[in-house]
Amino acid sequence: GAGVSQSPSNKVTEKGKDVELRCDPISGHTALYWYRQSLGQGLEFLIYFQGNSAPDKSGLPSDRFSAERTGGSVSTLTIQRTQQEDSAVYLCASSYDRGRSPLHFGNGTRLTVT
Amino acid sequence: AQTVTQSQPEMSVQEAETVTLSCTYDTSESDYYLFWYKQPPSRQMILVIRQEAYKQQNATENRFSVNFQKAAKSFSLKISDSQLGDAAMYFCAYKNSGGSNYKLTFGKGTLLTVNP
Repeated sequence: GAGVSQSPSNKVTEKGKDVELRCDPISGHTALYWYRQSLGQGLEFLIYFQGNSAPDKSGLPSDRFSAERTGGSVSTLTIQRTQQEDSAVYLCASSYDRGRSPLHFGNGTRLTVT
Repeated sequence: AQTVTQSQPEMSVQEAETVTLSCTYDTSESDYYLFWYKQPPSRQMILVIRQEAYKQQNATENRFSVNFQKAAKSFSLKISDSQLGDAAMYFCAYKNSGGSNYKLTFGKGTLLTVNP
């Protein structure tokens, strides 16, 4: 079956512009995660969605970052007024539930802010 | 807060040889999960192996095995008969089994090079 799909694969934007990153999880997966991977760093947790529950937004680095998940499926991560420090790979993952099920990751979106 | 430390930024191995990647973690929990993920240039994080802390037996998946030392909070990955396709970034990760058990905490990764 299809894996986690992210688009675009790469995005170059000018400082100050808004960007939207999309994630289409595996069908039937109720949990969805966004992580950020900066150059030479591990993965940094951003936000978590589980079913219809309120998302855990505790990892969002500033109020310029927001995310939504429509209909319990597709998710969009929005970064407003992008800054150069936002340049990173943004990875989305989904899992069957919040417990022992492993996370399945997409190929990420590489964001470059010039 | 849990932390995961990978002390080897880079490692190299000859094809067909064995290599061990190190990982230590810090937690006050008694039940948790540990993972090794592989990230090739495609950027996709691929699950290599998983260990449940309550299981004493070390997990194995074909050429991949772990040495899980719970008391020492150590979780190393051994790759046997290394292949060129094993070249990638490897991340060790931790996840609680209860409470806020959905967050994965990652180490900073080890870049593995496989020499022909």
